[in-house]
Amino acid sequence: QVQLVQSGAEVKKPGASVKVSCKASGYTFNNYHMHWVRQAPGQGLEWMGIINPSGDSTYAQKFQGRVTMTRDTSTSTVYMELSSLRSEDTAVYYCARTTSVGTTPIPYFDYWGQGTQVTVSP
Amino acid sequence: DIVMTQSPDSLPVSLGERATINCKSSQSILYSSNNKNYLAWYQQKLGQPPKLLIYWASIRESGVPDRFSGSGSGADFTLTISSLQAEDVAVYYCQQYYSSPYTFGQGTKLEIK
Repeated sequence: QVQLVQSGAEVKKPGASVKVSCKASGYTFNNYHMHWVRQAPGQGLEWMGIINPSGDSTYAQKFQGRVTMTRDTSTSTVYMELSSLRSEDTAVYYCARTTSVGTTPIPYFDYWGQGTQVTVSP
Repeated sequence: DIVMTQSPDSLPVSLGERATINCKSSQSILYSSNNKNYLAWYQQKLGQPPKLLIYWASIRESGVPDRFSGSGSGADFTLTISSLQAEDVAVYYCQQYYSSPYTFGQGTKLEIK
């Protein structure tokens, strides 16, 4: 069965960086795009960006310059690193898989990781 | 960016009754070349990640009970739960995947009356 297992909770100081991992299993990793979505406390869902099977990424403009998404095909793991953290970045971060037609992603999210709490606090 | 607006924000419904959640996009998310609406619905229970219910506006994901249905086209969409069960208490989100950034509605909290 498809599983996306994320790394554990993080507490960071303002200005620091955080790197969250998402290990995939139960499907052919190289055939699927992966996204990152975050959810601030008591708030809705916010799309951050996508990484394709080739390792190319596209980010929401809001996060341009602060976020980097990478993937390691040898371990079927994707990573999301967010830098220059501020209190507003306190949120649960999810990885989420989407399917594709050929190389074109169809970005609705059929499987989600369990979420990683990132807390930014002085 | 396409703005997704849901209504209502909160919806109390009696067990066994129908629940209807609306979602409006700031522009059409119907792709004319394939006549598909790029709209998904998710259910999020407390402390859990979202779960995909509906995609292409009306296609139920495998394993989703048939009391859940999606309808609408263009810029106006509806999620209907035909007979509310206790386990349906959750927050429901619509999401457009017509264009990046892929945006969500603010959520509708469904509760038991």
